[in-house]
Amino acid sequence: ETGVTQSPTHLIKTRGQQVTLRCSSQSGHNTVSWYQQALGQGPQFIFQYYREEENGRGNFPPRFSGLQFPNYSSELNVNALELDDSALYLCASSSAQAGGETQYFGPGTRLLVL
Amino acid sequence: AQSVTQLGSHVSVSEGALVLLRCNYSSSVPPYLFWYVQYPNQGLQLLLKYTSAATLVKGINGFEAEFKKSETSFHLTKPSAHMSDAAEYFCAVSDRDGANSKLTFGKGITLSVRP
Repeated sequence: ETGVTQSPTHLIKTRGQQVTLRCSSQSGHNTVSWYQQALGQGPQFIFQYYREEENGRGNFPPRFSGLQFPNYSSELNVNALELDDSALYLCASSSAQAGGETQYFGPGTRLLVL
Repeated sequence: AQSVTQLGSHVSVSEGALVLLRCNYSSSVPPYLFWYVQYPNQGLQLLLKYTSAATLVKGINGFEAEFKKSETSFHLTKPSAHMSDAAEYFCAVSDRDGANSKLTFGKGITLSVRP
């Protein structure tokens, strides 16, 4: 069984640029959630995708957007990067059919905005 | 709104000693509760979860947690700490809408294990 994978592992961008992060869900999982983890903090929910549509959103501005593809993989896009966007971005997958409450996390993408 | 409080940001124990990491939650509905562990420069690994079955939940690596509704607590314990247990531990609560199960995390506790 393949776990959740994310790419890239590390990324450096400058303020104002745009970034795309990618996530492949665990085999058999159809729901993907994205979290932002700032240094020294717990993860914060950004949004969730189910059946290729946004299915819940946390307190993040519209410049954070996402996509889910038919194979359940997902992208997180962040426009107009700000210094405070520097964080570890975690993707988690789950199965709505199995209740959806248990989320399995990938290794994360560490983004540094200069 | 749901919330999680993890008291203390750092716990230090000796190898072989009891590990106790505290977690209190707030939820308007019966919650799902989770403990995750994060090793340096890695993602989150599920340790255990409570989903309204037994109140004492056993997880991986010898960890267990007890759900106490009256105290709104879900403390994590391990009888004997190993050096390999040194990591960051997060308690999380989820609502019970299965198709939209956002996790709300606490701030985390760093566990150090002394030789």
